[in-house]
Amino acid sequence: DQQVKQNSPSLSVQEGRISILNCDYTNSMFDYFLWYKKYPAEGPTFLISISSIKDKNEDGRFTVFLNKSAKHLSLHIVPSQPGDSAVYFCAASVTGANSKLTFGKGITLSVRP
Amino acid sequence: KAGVTQTPRYLIKTRGQQVTLSCSPISGHRSVSWYQQTPGQGLQFLFEYFSETQRNKGNFPGRFSGRQFSNSRSEMNVSTLELGDSALYLCASSLRDTYGYTFGSGTRLTVV
Repeated sequence: DQQVKQNSPSLSVQEGRISILNCDYTNSMFDYFLWYKKYPAEGPTFLISISSIKDKNEDGRFTVFLNKSAKHLSLHIVPSQPGDSAVYFCAASVTGANSKLTFGKGITLSVRP
Repeated sequence: KAGVTQTPRYLIKTRGQQVTLSCSPISGHRSVSWYQQTPGQGLQFLFEYFSETQRNKGNFPGRFSGRQFSNSRSEMNVSTLELGDSALYLCASSLRDTYGYTFGSGTRLTVV
């Protein structure tokens, strides 16, 4: 049972344009969401997060939007740069003693120069 | 400060053998979690240790086990290796919860 879904396995965008990466979840108990970026042969690197009490969080070129009613979140990267080419994972957790992150399968983003 | 260190980086084992992977967390971090990454399944949670106690466990068979030492260093062990255990094993540490997770570069295990 995939509780966090990233239905598009890949995305290709032109440098300078917006990249929109989508993520859906099914477990209504999730109240904290994170995005990680991963290059080959490296561990995932934390990008940005959002609590369920917010619907938007921004950090430089990265913005995460949360739609709780639709159980959907998205990561916007503006403007996209070739160095953003990587695998992006969406993850979710339940605040409290539960220290487990549930990850999606990842989206491979390619930014064309 | 030093990041999360995982050793070895690469490992090749034969079916039926056992393997031990090591993780040294960031200094001061007491929570250590392990994840398995495979192409088909993404990152899947194995278990989490905090102050030498297993606090949470994922849906993996009993062949997968772990432990944490008093200095917060952690090891995971896989016994009776199967071909399907070939994966990237990632360790992450944090002070106390998922908010401050930092991942290591992983150990790439290949079972032949």
